[in-house]
Amino acid sequence: DTAVSQTPKYLVTQMGNDKSIKCEQNLGHDTMYWYKQDSKKFLKIMFSYNNKELIINETVPNRFSPKSPDKAHLNLHINSLELGDSAVYFCASSQTLAEPYNEQFFGPGTRLTVL
Amino acid sequence: AQSVTQLGSHVSVSEGALVLLRCNYSSSVPPYLFWYVQYPNQGLQLLLKYTSAATLVKGINGFEAEFKKSETSFHLTKPSAHMSDAAEYFCAVSDSGYSTLTFGKGTMLLVSP
Repeated sequence: DTAVSQTPKYLVTQMGNDKSIKCEQNLGHDTMYWYKQDSKKFLKIMFSYNNKELIINETVPNRFSPKSPDKAHLNLHINSLELGDSAVYFCASSQTLAEPYNEQFFGPGTRLTVL
Repeated sequence: AQSVTQLGSHVSVSEGALVLLRCNYSSSVPPYLFWYVQYPNQGLQLLLKYTSAATLVKGINGFEAEFKKSETSFHLTKPSAHMSDAAEYFCAVSDSGYSTLTFGKGTMLLVSP
């Protein structure tokens, strides 16, 4: 069983469209994250959620709206897509926010291409 | 603010040679440090982590790293490279307040026969 899964794996869309990426973890973790990896492979935190509550929003444009319907799911909705949104988006989870020494488990990534 | 610097965007070694990937950190508090590996078109996988229990940390696939506070370093080593080690390696520091990871820019390890 996959620990952290994301769908879709690839997403190709036109500028101005709205799209969503879904993430699910079956590890029973309390904390989930979205990271963005740019074309130079640089990884940066976007959001973190703990027990469905938003904890961190790292100066991400408000076109990006995460939603956590329950603590096993963290979805990312992006409005009015721009060329600069093209990247690989990784979902991750860890046991609890209170233990920053815990491993984060990463999903396989969603490669978003905006044309 | 915490930060991580990885020296060298690419490191090339021959199969069987020593692997050394460098990582220096900046943190105002005792850090939690991690090395992750990313194989092509895959997510990140934890190699090892430092959580203050021991300065020499052993990880998977024969990798190890040594925490040196005086040098603010956490370099990754492996005595003998395999072709299967070719991947992107990321050093990261964890924010003790929010558990988010701050990554270095990554080092691509190339292994030649």
